[in-house]
Amino acid sequence: AQKVTQAQTEISVVEKEDVTLDCVYETRDTTYYLFWYKQPPSGELVFLIRRNSFDEQNEISGRYSWNFQKSTSSFNFTITASQVVDSAVYFCALSVSVGNEKLTFGTGTRLTIIP
Amino acid sequence: GAGVSQSPRYKVAKRGQDVALRCDPISGHVSLFWYQQALGQGPEFLTYFQNEAQLDKSGLPSDRFFAERPEGSVSTLKIQRTQQEDSAVYLCASSSRLLWDFGPGTRLTVT
Repeated sequence: AQKVTQAQTEISVVEKEDVTLDCVYETRDTTYYLFWYKQPPSGELVFLIRRNSFDEQNEISGRYSWNFQKSTSSFNFTITASQVVDSAVYFCALSVSVGNEKLTFGTGTRLTIIP
Repeated sequence: GAGVSQSPRYKVAKRGQDVALRCDPISGHVSLFWYQQALGQGPEFLTYFQNEAQLDKSGLPSDRFFAERPEGSVSTLKIQRTQQEDSAVYLCASSSRLLWDFGPGTRLTVT
């Protein structure tokens, strides 16, 4: 069975601070995919990134960066110079099967950026 | 282009009523998923279709939940004899090449 743990339930930071959201996953599969989604107050899930298990290269996209470490089964997400618009619930998710690509989500981290 | 749409966006049902939730996936997407998101929780998998075939329904919480996709496009999630614990947001997603597009969800409130 797969499991995704987001231990941080809520985080509040002052605008322009950097913040890291933690994600730890469990799976016995050697091929898997990791995701981050943003869920703003409007409720829609917004895709941020997908990473496959064979690609441990870290990625940066503007103010967002992701650190994937297989050794610790972690896929952490950092927002640099946070902005009020970053306030949302962020979900980490895992998919292990091609053919049935269901996502296993963590419980989410509610991020509040204080102006 | 058009994304995944769901209707209704909000549904209030009295306990014991039957409800039907509709999902219109992105045209051409073979895979379609339903998820249930309780308040303050992450989405949880309910069921999966590949075209019209329901390949996985392991996440359906009880036999009161039923999903169909008869022509391989639009899907309907039906909940019979609704209970208060069914109150949640029901999300539909369609996918192509391991990229999912989620709909806005249907918020079901059972009173």
